[in-house]
Amino acid sequence: DAMVIQNPRYQVTQFGKPVTLSCSQTLNHNVMYWYQQKSSQAPKLLFHYYDKDFNNEADTPDNFQSRRPNTSFCFLDIRSPGLGDAAMYLCATSRDTGMGNEKLFFGSGTQLSVL
Amino acid sequence: AQSVTQLGSHVSVSEGALVLLRCNYSSSVPPYLFWYVQYPNQGLQLLLKYTTGATLVKGITGFEAEFKKSETSFHLTKPSAHMSDAAEYFCAVSETSGTASKLTFGTGTRLQVTL
Repeated sequence: DAMVIQNPRYQVTQFGKPVTLSCSQTLNHNVMYWYQQKSSQAPKLLFHYYDKDFNNEADTPDNFQSRRPNTSFCFLDIRSPGLGDAAMYLCATSRDTGMGNEKLFFGSGTQLSVL
Repeated sequence: AQSVTQLGSHVSVSEGALVLLRCNYSSSVPPYLFWYVQYPNQGLQLLLKYTTGATLVKGITGFEAEFKKSETSFHLTKPSAHMSDAAEYFCAVSETSGTASKLTFGTGTRLQVTL
């Protein structure tokens, strides 16, 4: 039943140790997004893919990278996690209609802790 | 830049009482507006959205919202709260990037429903 799947649900990493979060989808949507949600804050868009085209938000730190090897999978790489990167990371997908009003389908998120 | 403001980070109502969650937006162009709900340990899911046309929008599980341009508001209401409505609710505005629906979220309102 799950349409957007994020693994793992909880991830613990050490300060400065690279970490990868994964997202997969069964919806065949061409747009995939990564949001960062810190405690008691609004989810913040980091970047999105339209097919293989990567679109970075202007204020997303260089420490955050992403890969999308195919339609179904997307990865978030944090090259050198800092304490401030501890957050919930949400993956979402949507169809592209060019209208900007599409429904986003979210995964359950990965809660990242940095020790 | 577009933004949304949600008044009240926590709202508590009795079961059967009216639910009112407030959202005000700022946008230089006609906005697309959304309400998403996040149940514990789950991803965000769309409750309802306003694009164009009828200003009163009905969503899932008995919620509705009214777009009021003069007040720049998109408040969420439900006539009678149920225990299962306890969740976090996010208002969002969409920015068209041409190929994606990029959402700017509010900070969320946690709804508590008491007996």
